[in-house]
Amino acid sequence: KQEVTQIPAALSVPEGENLVLNCSFTDSAIYNLQWFRQDPGKGLTSLLLIQSSQREQTSGRLNASLDKSSGRSTLYIAASQPGDSATYLCAVLSGAGSYQLTFGKGTKLSVIP
Amino acid sequence: EAQVTQNPRYLITVTGKKLTVTCSQNMNHEYMSWYRQDPGLGLRQIYYSMNVEVTDKGDVPEGYKVSRKEKRNFPLILESPSPNQTSLYFCASRTLDRINYGYTFGSGTRLTVV
Repeated sequence: KQEVTQIPAALSVPEGENLVLNCSFTDSAIYNLQWFRQDPGKGLTSLLLIQSSQREQTSGRLNASLDKSSGRSTLYIAASQPGDSATYLCAVLSGAGSYQLTFGKGTKLSVIP
Repeated sequence: EAQVTQNPRYLITVTGKKLTVTCSQNMNHEYMSWYRQDPGLGLRQIYYSMNVEVTDKGDVPEGYKVSRKEKRNFPLILESPSPNQTSLYFCASRTLDRINYGYTFGSGTRLTVV
């Protein structure tokens, strides 16, 4: 059964810093990996989707990498801003035939002005 | 606009009173799924559907029912809600034509059972 772990569970950084969020998964037979952002009590906003054949994806100040063989992904946020404060969720799509999306428990990011 | 719509957004109910949370998508997606989100436990899949009339259990199906009579709709039914079903619920959909496309999530339904 796929398991997804995110480290750290919470992170507090001063505005302007670059930061890295980590995600690991136990079964490397994945279709893709998706990073989401969630504001308190709100829905999920998709940030980046990395296909299993890709190594990284970029969108603005965000860069996500994938090392499928080692079961790891990182989300790099450049020049952090207070508006980046949210919980970031990593999810992997796996499971032959069931296409189950398995989530990590998230990293709660606080960017201090 | 391509979207997944859930209703209601907020619901407070009493133990044992049957309720239905609706979910509808306008993207002609084959796959639909329900998740619940709880502090410390993250998002867990309740049920999913690969197409009309095809449904299967996820990780935490106890106490829930679903149906998929039409491609666009996937309601979540709680026949006899209990306080441990107080949670934030999300509906999601995706295409199965292109496996490397991502999921689209609804805005969530916050359910409180007293």
